[in-house]
Amino acid sequence: DGGITQSPKYLFRKEGQNVTLSCEQNLNHDAMYWYRQDPGQGLRLIYYSQIVNDFQKGDIAEGYSVSREKKESFPLTVTSAQKNPTAFYLCASSYGSQETQYFGPGTRLLVL
Amino acid sequence: GQNIDQPTEMTATEGAIVQINCTYQTSGFNGLFWYQQHAGEAPTFLSYNVLDGLEEKGRFSSFLSRSKGYSYLLLKELQMKDSASYLCAVSPLDSSYKLIFGSGTRLLVRP
Repeated sequence: DGGITQSPKYLFRKEGQNVTLSCEQNLNHDAMYWYRQDPGQGLRLIYYSQIVNDFQKGDIAEGYSVSREKKESFPLTVTSAQKNPTAFYLCASSYGSQETQYFGPGTRLLVL
Repeated sequence: GQNIDQPTEMTATEGAIVQINCTYQTSGFNGLFWYQQHAGEAPTFLSYNVLDGLEEKGRFSSFLSRSKGYSYLLLKELQMKDSASYLCAVSPLDSSYKLIFGSGTRLLVRP
């Protein structure tokens, strides 16, 4: 079955710690995205990648980093510089621009 | 810039019809998307409008009017499982990879 997977489902971060959220897709999509969702708010774009080895900052990139070494994978690192990381993180992918984005099941990040 | 407005919450009765509106202020966009999101889950794609008019897909229809700056999602024959948030999003002209989302409308379907 084709789809997008994210792991873990829940993640706990300690003060000053970097954590990495995994996102994998086997849909053969070129573009991948990371969004953050806070209660009662819409999705906000953190980073996106149009093709392998390329990525662009979204609207709220500060405190986050990404890599795109493989077409299938787009991991997101939440660094200690992100002071308010508690949120629901959603990864998505699409064939290209203006195409429908399909979402993974999400990772809920909590701060200890 | 873009600003997308949706009602925060709506309530409807099982079997009824409900219309969820989305108004936007934007200099231009490629198309408008609707997604459904159940609590704690990922958004799932419902519809995409590029041209003005109505797109029908089973119990769900979506309408777009670029001249009036609004879209709506129409849900017919409501079922309890339709209780979810409905997200409106536009693909801006200046960055066609991005989607700008509204805050979503939480729909509660009652028996």
